[in-house]
Amino acid sequence: ETGVTQSPTHLIKTRGQQVTLRCSSQSGHNTVSWYQQALGQGPQFIFQYYREEENGRGNFPPRFSGLQFPNYSSELNVNALELDDSALYLCASSLEGDTEAFFGQGTRLTVV
Amino acid sequence: GEDVEQSLFLSVREGDSSVINCTYTDSSSTYLYWYKQEPGAGLQLLTYIFSNMDMKQDQRLTVLLNKKDKHLSLRIADTQTGDSAIYFCAERAGGSYIPTFGRGTSLIVHP
Repeated sequence: ETGVTQSPTHLIKTRGQQVTLRCSSQSGHNTVSWYQQALGQGPQFIFQYYREEENGRGNFPPRFSGLQFPNYSSELNVNALELDDSALYLCASSLEGDTEAFFGQGTRLTVV
Repeated sequence: GEDVEQSLFLSVREGDSSVINCTYTDSSSTYLYWYKQEPGAGLQLLTYIFSNMDMKQDQRLTVLLNKKDKHLSLRIADTQTGDSAIYFCAERAGGSYIPTFGRGTSLIVHP
């Protein structure tokens, strides 16, 4: 077990709705990254937060946004949900400069 | 752009060795990773190798890197049924925080 926890584990939303996913990082880790993993694909980088600031972003539209809190936990928000947003959303925490990131078990989002 | 390619499936008999292959295109890749994903779970880092190395061994796992051909392989010795999972190759350039993952190789171990 990595110490990275995500909630909820499963979620069903309707197209057009908004969703918030949560991630609690491993103790002492100040960097959180979010990934989208569509069925049969590898994880795609969404963005990374370091000390409450966005530190890099992949090729995702602005309706994907995030927050990192002073305790380094994080949220991923997705507005105006589309059917293609259905995926496993993974959070990974790391210590800045470290090569190793620890992943949570993911949140399975289904948009209907 | 960056691209990481893996074969999608590998089937081996229990006790045999498994070799999972990966190719990448980014010549500035500095870190190369192998992750394991079991059904319904997140990714578990198995091992990683720096681009200035050509081999790394960790118990049953051996990673080989051919930087000239941009080819990475993961060998699992004495493969067990518990090794059945999807294995992802990923690369990251030095100074970048964005890893690029392959689509994953589904390893099936049968008795």
